[in-house]
Amino acid sequence: EDQVTQSPEALRLQEGESSSLNCSYTVSGLRGLFWYRQDPGKGPEFLFTLYSAGEEKEKERLKATLTKKESFLHITAPKPEDSATYLCAVQARGSQGNLIFGKGTKLSVKP
Amino acid sequence: DSGVTQTPKHLITATGQRVTLRCSPRSGDLSVYWYQQSLDQGLQFLIQYYNGEERAKGNILERFSAQQFPDLHSELNLSSLELGDSALYFCASSSTATNEKLFFGSGTQLSVL
Repeated sequence: EDQVTQSPEALRLQEGESSSLNCSYTVSGLRGLFWYRQDPGKGPEFLFTLYSAGEEKEKERLKATLTKKESFLHITAPKPEDSATYLCAVQARGSQGNLIFGKGTKLSVKP
Repeated sequence: DSGVTQTPKHLITATGQRVTLRCSPRSGDLSVYWYQQSLDQGLQFLIQYYNGEERAKGNILERFSAQQFPDLHSELNLSSLELGDSALYFCASSSTATNEKLFFGSGTQLSVL
């Protein structure tokens, strides 16, 4: 069964304190791995897509990496506005556009 | 603003009732997805439509049904509601049937009392 597990469930950082979020996945043939950001009361917002092991993508203070079993979302020198829930999702090869999501990591960045 | 519109934002109803959630996709997007988000289960895929046709089905209950109309808006119908159906229901759209870059609406918060 295709599955996505994210850790930690919650993470509190001080402004400027870099850290990483983990996403472990089991899928019958990976078509793509995705990171989304979700703010309270809003729908998820697309951040990155990674397709193959070794691939990296960056956007401002965020950098996503992918291996054959997991993905990391590195947050460098975070700011309070980075506080949100970060969701990881996978798409299995042969599936349609539907994604399998993890339960997310709730990130809080204190000034 | 993602460009995906969901109505209503909040819905409070009683067990046994039936409700309809509405979704207008981004202009030009042909694919519509419905997801359910609860605290313990996270985001769960329900169903996908592409240009009016059902494309993929997830763990959608038989009490739930959906359709996509010729103008591409979609409706999710939930019937014989139970307390456990209380959740946030999201609609998302994408330009193609397999495009993984989904644009999500702000959701409908359903409370079944």
